Amino acid sequence: GAGVSQSPSNKVTEKGKDVELRCDPISGHTALYWYRQRLGQGLEFLIYFQGNSAPDKSGLPSDRFSAERTGESVSTLTIQRTQQEDSAVYLCASSLAGSRYNEQFFGPGTRLTVL
Amino acid sequence: KNEVEQSPQNLTAQEGEFITINCSYSVGISALHWLQQHPGGGIVSLFMLSSGKKKHGRLIATINIQEKHSSLHITASHPRDSAVYICAANNYGGSQGNLIFGKGTKLSVKP
Repeated sequence: GAGVSQSPSNKVTEKGKDVELRCDPISGHTALYWYRQRLGQGLEFLIYFQGNSAPDKSGLPSDRFSAERTGESVSTLTIQRTQQEDSAVYLCASSLAGSRYNEQFFGPGTRLTVL
Repeated sequence: KNEVEQSPQNLTAQEGEFITINCSYSVGISALHWLQQHPGGGIVSLFMLSSGKKKHGRLIATINIQEKHSSLHITASHPRDSAVYICAANNYGGSQGNLIFGKGTKLSVKP
């Protein structure tokens, strides 16, 4: 497809388990972003990848959160030892380059529920 | 105080009305984004602007850098415009990916 895709669309897990969320950006987009949206709240920035530069991890809420990106393609967001407060919709977006000059295209999100 | 503030938080309008949603920010910015989040959760980028005004169909976005304020206008509103509209700022001192988001304005347009 032409858009940003994410998988799974829904994930239910037990507290303490690890989860891995996947994002496939639009082909050719060098910039990739992860955001989180908790129920009833606004979007929160998590991490930003731009080409081969070191990622901006300043939004990651704890060391249980990590993300990787393979070149300029797929990215995975990993949450270790999940907690109930991690329940949220995790959104991925991509853009041609950094968002200072380029609009972002959002994926449909992964709804994570931690029981 | 949030660095990006939106008003109103909720807005109900009748079909055909002219709508304005406001965004004020307290940080120096390099760009400001307006996003639309549909009731199903999907997010679409509407505008990205750093000065002046942009228009797309019935949507108009303006920004006043000196006053640190942006507005999103919808002309001839329609029930399909019902969504949450989100303002987000690229902090001038931050990385290009680090957007600061407003809490959103929930718009409901009644037929």
